Amino acid sequence: GAGVSQTPSNKVTEKGKYVELRCDPISGHTALYWYRQSLGQGPEFLIYFQGTGAADDSGLPNDRFFAVRPEGSVSTLKIQRTERGDSAVYLCASSPQGTRDTQYFGPGTRLTVL
Amino acid sequence: KNQVEQSPQSLIILEGKNCTLQCNYTVSPFSNLRWYKQDTGRGPVSLTIMTFSENTKSNGRYTATLDADTKQSSLHITASQLSDSASYICVVRFSGGYNKLIFGAGTRLAVHP
Repeated sequence: GAGVSQTPSNKVTEKGKYVELRCDPISGHTALYWYRQSLGQGPEFLIYFQGTGAADDSGLPNDRFFAVRPEGSVSTLKIQRTERGDSAVYLCASSPQGTRDTQYFGPGTRLTVL
Repeated sequence: KNQVEQSPQSLIILEGKNCTLQCNYTVSPFSNLRWYKQDTGRGPVSLTIMTFSENTKSNGRYTATLDADTKQSSLHITASQLSDSASYICVVRFSGGYNKLIFGAGTRLAVHP
């Protein structure tokens, strides 16, 4: 595809469950970012991948959150033991090389934890 | 603390009118400043990017200004259209030790006919 895609577009889960959110970046982009956006707020940085490695994971709120990018393209954000406070839109972005480049955002996954 | 503050929080204008959105930041050291447009239910889309040496950057009806001394930026929208209704987010790149984008909360703009 031409842009960043994310699946699912919506995810409803129960408190305590495990969820996985997927991001397909623009082909050839080496940098990938995950953000969390609460209603009425700007995106909040979670983690940044350069290739397969997490170059900066300082935004992950706690150890229930984990992200992988095993082959340097698709990334999965994993949330264990979900809490109601995890409800938000999770945005993924990619850029050609690094943080100096413009980031292209996907449409986001709206996560609702009941 | 590295912060990005935007004002107003929300704004309603009539189609065809101009408006200016403000962004103040305390991020230091600062590398560049970007304005993004985010339509409801969509991811943000980049409008402009300026380094500390640039004072103004235009993209069609959007003109961004930057004063790196006072740490202020503005986004001016000329001859607004209904399609300009969106959130406009100011983003500052922090370059001290690690590279990170710091997002403002956004200004929600509604353009009415």
